[in-house]
Amino acid sequence: DAGITQSPRHKVTETGTPVTLRCHQTENHRYMYWYRQDPGHGLRLIHYSYGVKDTDKGEVSDGYSVSRSKTEDFLLTLESATSSQTSVYFCAISGDRGMDGDTEAFFGQGTRLTVV
Amino acid sequence: GEDVEQSLFLSVREGDSSVINCTYTDSSSTYLYWYKQEPGAGLQLLTYIFSNMDMKQDQRLTVLLNKKDKHLSLRIADTQTGDSAIYFCAEREPNTDKLIFGTGTRLQVFP
Repeated sequence: DAGITQSPRHKVTETGTPVTLRCHQTENHRYMYWYRQDPGHGLRLIHYSYGVKDTDKGEVSDGYSVSRSKTEDFLLTLESATSSQTSVYFCAISGDRGMDGDTEAFFGQGTRLTVV
Repeated sequence: GEDVEQSLFLSVREGDSSVINCTYTDSSSTYLYWYKQEPGAGLQLLTYIFSNMDMKQDQRLTVLLNKKDKHLSLRIADTQTGDSAIYFCAEREPNTDKLIFGTGTRLQVFP
């Protein structure tokens, strides 16, 4: 299995509080992604990173920020959590595109976040 | 838009073939993927296809790619109860390397 871990695995937080989720990899992969998974919506991209300090928005980035100060860590922050951000969050990593390999994305086990 | 579309549900009898369909958005996407998610778990790659291919076969799995219609399908032969899961197709945008996923198809296999 690829070396990717998410922490925490479960969190319950109150509306209005800040929350940070951490994704850590040991594969030295260039790309890192944060997704949220909700019924009927599949996986939606929140933010992604294509290198240290290089990040870009996905389709559902409002209310979220990210940081990548080193290759192995990609942090997702909810500045002021809302109930609509209750979801399961997945981190993924991926290497550079090659001719026929090293393109798959490896996923973490997910973080279940509940905002009450 | 960044919509990758799939039907939400598919129910098949054990032993039959399953066909899961997907339409994607970017005709220049270089890689297209199929992932499987079992309950309470993350996603695992099943197979992928490079855009210069029309078909790829891997044991019970067959992937067909129609670039003209931007249509991707996954056929599972001899479907087993262990194949029950959610299946996601995904495309890798060539200019940004974003991975865009579909809504997922829940496959239910009954005896």
